[in-house]
Amino acid sequence: QVQLVESGGGLVKPGESLRLSCAASGFTISDYYMSWIRQAPGKGLEWVSYISSSSGNTIYYGESVKGRFTISRDSAKNSLYLQMNSLRVEDTAVYYCAAPRRGYDKVFDFWGQGTLVTVSS
Amino acid sequence: DIQMTQSPSSLSASVGDRVTITCRASQSINRNLIWYQQKPGKAPKLLIYPASTLQSGVPSRFSGSGSGTDFTLTISSLQPEDFATYYCQQSYSTPLTFGGGTKVEIK
Repeated sequence: QVQLVESGGGLVKPGESLRLSCAASGFTISDYYMSWIRQAPGKGLEWVSYISSSSGNTIYYGESVKGRFTISRDSAKNSLYLQMNSLRVEDTAVYYCAAPRRGYDKVFDFWGQGTLVTVSS
Repeated sequence: DIQMTQSPSSLSASVGDRVTITCRASQSINRNLIWYQQKPGKAPKLLIYPASTLQSGVPSRFSGSGSGTDFTLTISSLQPEDFATYYCQQSYSTPLTFGGGTKVEIK
């Protein structure tokens, strides 16, 4: 069955970097749009970024992370990544990777358990 | 960007009550509206897409309706396991955006 497992979260200082990973099993990530979505403590959901299937290679970012975050995937490892640079206090959140419902690229059917990123001095 | 506004932001209801949550888009999104349920400490769970199709395994007491800018999620008879926060999301255009959430609490 489909499983997504995030890792790489932790406590960093403002301005530092962090790389999140999402290991997928049960499907091939390069066949699907893959997204990162975050949730600040006690707040709602915020879409961060997606990368399209390998047939399209389209990447989009939310305005709040554009220029600082980079999404990528490694097909050989069937893993999704989020490189986060110049981190800010407001980037503190649980970060989820999400995979879509078959046939609906932007409907998030499968979610990881999330990894907490805390940015604090 | 398309803004998604949910109302109410929270509500108190009893088991067996009929509950309706609304989601309004700042511009027409046709029927590209998704509903999720989230329980504390857990990832969101897909309930309904697009607008009215129930995800496999979701109880039939959940239903969705609407098109254009106005959408509703209805729980026909609230059950103990339904106490959670519900989010709408538009998939019409990037950036993808979520509503602020509706927390359904026990009265």
